[in-house]
Amino acid sequence: AQSVSQHNHHVILSEAASLELGCNYSYGGTVNLFWYVQYPGQHLQLLLKYFSGDPLVKGIKGFEAEFIKSKFSFNLRKPSVQWSDTAEYFCAVNAGAGNNRKLIWGLGTSLAVNP
Amino acid sequence: DAGITQSPRHKVTETGTPVTLRCHQTENHRYMYWYRQDPGHGLRLIHYSYGVKDTDKGEVSDGYSVSRSKTEDFLLTLESATSSQTSVYFCAISDNTRNTEAFFGQGTRLTVV
Repeated sequence: AQSVSQHNHHVILSEAASLELGCNYSYGGTVNLFWYVQYPGQHLQLLLKYFSGDPLVKGIKGFEAEFIKSKFSFNLRKPSVQWSDTAEYFCAVNAGAGNNRKLIWGLGTSLAVNP
Repeated sequence: DAGITQSPRHKVTETGTPVTLRCHQTENHRYMYWYRQDPGHGLRLIHYSYGVKDTDKGEVSDGYSVSRSKTEDFLLTLESATSSQTSVYFCAISDNTRNTEAFFGQGTRLTVV
């Protein structure tokens, strides 16, 4: 079955620290990959996405992610986090075909950034 | 933000009562989804729709039904609410062509007492 695994459930960092959140998926076909962010009390918003082309994708607020097809991974990175990055981060894969094409979600990673 | 409106935003209801949540979109997207979000479980798909009157079950569909009589509206009904259905419910839409993402509504916080 298709699945998405996020390695870290809770991450605590200090401001200016570097961030890397792991995401692996299991699906053998063509995939679209996403990272969403959910700030406290808000809805999910798209952070970045990969469809094709350059496997290093840049998103909003200084985030980037690298698609490594051979490792089925799409890890999220940010060189220097800020207190305002405190949020929940979700990795998702758009897989399947036709009417069965839908997003498969990871369980999320809660990031707390201490000032 | 994409034009998605969920109503109500907050609701408290009693066990055993029916509840209907509404998702309204102004984007004319084909696909609409209902998720529930609970601590430790991430987002779980309840039902989704790939067109008017075309719906299918997600991974946690028991106790829920949906209807989509118009492109813009997707209703989620809890037939007889239980405390286990206390959750935050999100509606999402997408064009679901190969290169589009999902857009989310603001969420509905439902408490069943």
